[in-house]
Amino acid sequence: DQQVKQNSPSLSVQEGRISILNCDYTNSMFDYFLWYKKYPAEGPTFLISISSIKDKNEDGRFTVFLNKSAKHLSLHIVPSQPGDSAVYFCAASVSNDMRFGAGTRLTVKP
Amino acid sequence: ETGVTQTPRHLVMGMTNKKSLKCEQHLGHNAMYWYKQSAKKPLELMFVYSLEERVENNSVPSRFSPECPNSSHLFLHLHTLQPEDSALYLCASSLVGGRGNNSPLHFGNGTRLTVT
Repeated sequence: DQQVKQNSPSLSVQEGRISILNCDYTNSMFDYFLWYKKYPAEGPTFLISISSIKDKNEDGRFTVFLNKSAKHLSLHIVPSQPGDSAVYFCAASVSNDMRFGAGTRLTVKP
Repeated sequence: ETGVTQTPRHLVMGMTNKKSLKCEQHLGHNAMYWYKQSAKKPLELMFVYSLEERVENNSVPSRFSPECPNSSHLFLHLHTLQPEDSALYLCASSLVGGRGNNSPLHFGNGTRLTVT
């Protein structure tokens, strides 16, 4: 029962351009949504989050958009930098139950 | 230093062995979690300890046994594992409050487990 889905296993963009990572969820009870970034041999690190009462949250180069009617979440990174190359996980939670997508590997080419 | 420390980083064990994974958090959090990450799969929530109450995922086999002696320490005891249990096991912690009071999980760097 995969409640959070990231349908693109990989994404490649040119340095300086926008990276858009997408995520879909099925459980309408989720009220908190997050993006994590993971480098090899390290645990996921928290990047940005959004509450279900909002539709946009921005933090520097990172913006998360939430479309509750479509049960869709996206992360925009602009401008993309080579150091952004990592695996990005989408997550959604209600109470203490946080569910993750399978991840999207982002490669930013110089 | 992530604030969440897991040991060992790597573990190779036979199917008849008994071993334990350890997790320690120094963030003052009151909830701790075990996640399993298999190749090309989403992180799977295994166990949650929140405010000293255990929330269990019923799909986790009994060969995995968690222990949370206090809010800073979490163990995962392993016994008679199978090769398909080989994965990255991640510990996380968070600060939980009432409903609507959300906070992100902070992860350790994981234990890479290989069952031979």
